[in-house]
Amino acid sequence: DTAVSQTPKYLVTQMGNDKSIKCEQNLGHDTMYWYKQDSKKFLKIMFSYNNKELIINETVPNRFSPKSPDKAHLNLHINSLELGDSAVYFCASSHEGVETQYFGPGTRLLVL
Amino acid sequence: QKEVEQDPGPLSVPEGAIVSLNCTYSNSAFQYFMWYRQYSRKGPELLMYTYSSGNKEDGRFTAQVDKSSKYISLFIRDSQPSDSATYLCAVKAAGNKLTFGGGTRVLVKP
Repeated sequence: DTAVSQTPKYLVTQMGNDKSIKCEQNLGHDTMYWYKQDSKKFLKIMFSYNNKELIINETVPNRFSPKSPDKAHLNLHINSLELGDSAVYFCASSHEGVETQYFGPGTRLLVL
Repeated sequence: QKEVEQDPGPLSVPEGAIVSLNCTYSNSAFQYFMWYRQYSRKGPELLMYTYSSGNKEDGRFTAQVDKSSKYISLFIRDSQPSDSATYLCAVKAAGNKLTFGGGTRVLVKP
């Protein structure tokens, strides 16, 4: 009974490729997020969607494009991957106005 | 200066000891304070959530917030090897954006 799930768990790819990461939550939440965690464990928000509408868009290269087909799903597409994109990407979800966020297991991206 | 500062550790303690973790933040607009635990190769999981200054206790865990000093703490009593993890503080103003500290790695030795 995974609350927030992500696929794939691991992603190894070449520089310049385009890749997607998928996230699904079965908690009935209306807000979903993408975070990036670098090698020093620093966790930083990238995007947030509420009811399929983008509400947080931090300073992220426009090679990163989130897409929310419905409230339970938030995907992340990355174009022209660069070495610096190597990190762990976490999806999270919450109810709007409720402070606690629930995180997925992460997708480990390695760009060679 | 980062919005939230947290000593990266590692912090090594013997089993049964009290673990003391803390963060400082710079923006007085932050109203909500959280502690997350992250095991190696896992996602962060919420441990404690507080809103006001003061203490909040949950089992072996106590969270403290001092808004006047912009200082938050987490204490773990009777620490166990299973408490070995990275502990991340997080703060939030109004809205949904969480700002995390860099995490403190804790190692509890049997």
